[in-house]
Amino acid sequence: DAGVIQSPRHEVTEMGQEVTLRCKPISGHNSLFWYRQTMMRGLELLIYFNNNVPIDDSGMPEDRFSAKMPNASFSTLKIQPSEPRDSAVYFCASIPYRGGRAFFGQGTRLTVV
Amino acid sequence: DAKTTQPNSMESNEEEPVHLPCNHSTISGTDYIHWYRQLPSQGPEYVIHGLTSNVNNRMASLAIAEDRKSSTLILHRATLRDAAVYYCSPFGNEKLTFGTGTRLTIIP
Repeated sequence: DAGVIQSPRHEVTEMGQEVTLRCKPISGHNSLFWYRQTMMRGLELLIYFNNNVPIDDSGMPEDRFSAKMPNASFSTLKIQPSEPRDSAVYFCASIPYRGGRAFFGQGTRLTVV
Repeated sequence: DAKTTQPNSMESNEEEPVHLPCNHSTISGTDYIHWYRQLPSQGPEYVIHGLTSNVNNRMASLAIAEDRKSSTLILHRATLRDAAVYYCSPFGNEKLTFGTGTRLTIIP
């Protein structure tokens, strides 16, 4: 298995533009987590899904952020409109079952100018 | 969410054992204790996890207190490649979250 795949690896966009980050979890894993990491705030959980259903989105910072998981093999995190303070590294992780080990993707480094 | 307390930083000499402590006094009975580490410019990677008994794998050992309110990650022989931020996190039925972790520096 190729592991958790995130795309793009790097994204540079202008303020106000829509940004879509993508994540392909490991096949058969039933939980998916999205995180944001900055120097100031560390590694923050944004939202997580169980069996494609959003369970807790309390970490999503604003309405500008949205996440979907239309099927078990794909998830997106969208920011619309983007702002410079959204610049961060975004990680997704998939977990095979509750309490199991998490497998992280390589992350997407987002820069909003 | 279960709260965790870890030292901000630790140093160790190369090829010496390292004991990284974590307090998780509000852990629930069904939470596993997970440890992850993050090397510079990389995503977090799994190290080890356990429920009650001590656990060993090729990377490390995990010692869990009898009351489960604390645990210690043990690197038996630290190398320069072990320099990273180490996170502990109780995780079971809820969400996997991370505190500030311990930045481990290995001195050659």
